[in-house]
Amino acid sequence: DVKVTQSSRYLVKRTGEKVFLECVQDMDHENMFWYRQDPGLGLRLIYFSYDVKMKEKGDIPEGYSVSREKKERFSLILESASTNQTSMYLCASSSVGQGVPGELFFGEGSRLTVL
Amino acid sequence: QKEVEQNSGPLSVPEGAIASLNCTYSDRVSQSFFWYRQYSGKSPELIMSIYSNGDKEDGRFTAQLNKASQYVSLLIRDSQPSDSATYLCAVNLGNNFNKFYFGSGTKLNVKP
Repeated sequence: DVKVTQSSRYLVKRTGEKVFLECVQDMDHENMFWYRQDPGLGLRLIYFSYDVKMKEKGDIPEGYSVSREKKERFSLILESASTNQTSMYLCASSSVGQGVPGELFFGEGSRLTVL
Repeated sequence: QKEVEQNSGPLSVPEGAIASLNCTYSDRVSQSFFWYRQYSGKSPELIMSIYSNGDKEDGRFTAQLNKASQYVSLLIRDSQPSDSATYLCAVNLGNNFNKFYFGSGTKLNVKP
C-alpha cells in the first residue's frame, strides 16, 4: 500500500515563527502536493512538485515555500506564520499516469494552529 | 464562480436507501473526475474515478458523468452507517495533470 507520512499531526505555533511541515512517500511517486483544507472552502493547492528540485505554485502560494531535495520528501515552509494560516495541511502524492491523471494519495494531515 | 460546486449538506438518508451526491463544474475542458471520501478527522481516500460520459459501477458505488451538462454524480446503493462521511468531488482539467480542483464536499449521514 502507498504510504504518505506527515511528520506532525498537530502543531501550535506563535505568530512570526518559522514552521516546517514534512511529508514522505514510499511509492516512488513523481508528483507531490501540498493542500490546505478549510471549512467551506474545500482543498486548495498551495504548491506541487513534479520532480526533485522542481516546484510550481498552486492557487494560494503566498506566505509559503517548499523544498524537494529528494524524490520521496516534500517540505512545506511557512517563513513567518500568521493566524490566517491556521488550517489543516494535507500532503499528497501521485504517479504520472498513462494519459490520465494519477490518483492522489493523501497523508493523515497536519493541523496547524497559529496563535 | 467556483470551479467545482457541491451542496454542503448534510444529506441524511436511512440505512439501505440510495444516497445521491451531485457535483457541477465550470470548465468545459475538464477531462477527469474523481470522488473522494473523507471521514471526520481523516484524510481523503479515492472511491471512484470516471473519464467518459455514462455510468461506472464499482460495488455499491456508481459514478455518473454528463460532460454536456457539466455534471458528475455519485450514487451509493444500500447505504450503510459506515458510509457516513464527507464526499469530495475533484476535477482535473486535462491540460495539466497536476491541477485538481476540489469541491467543498457534501456531508452524508446514514441513519440506522
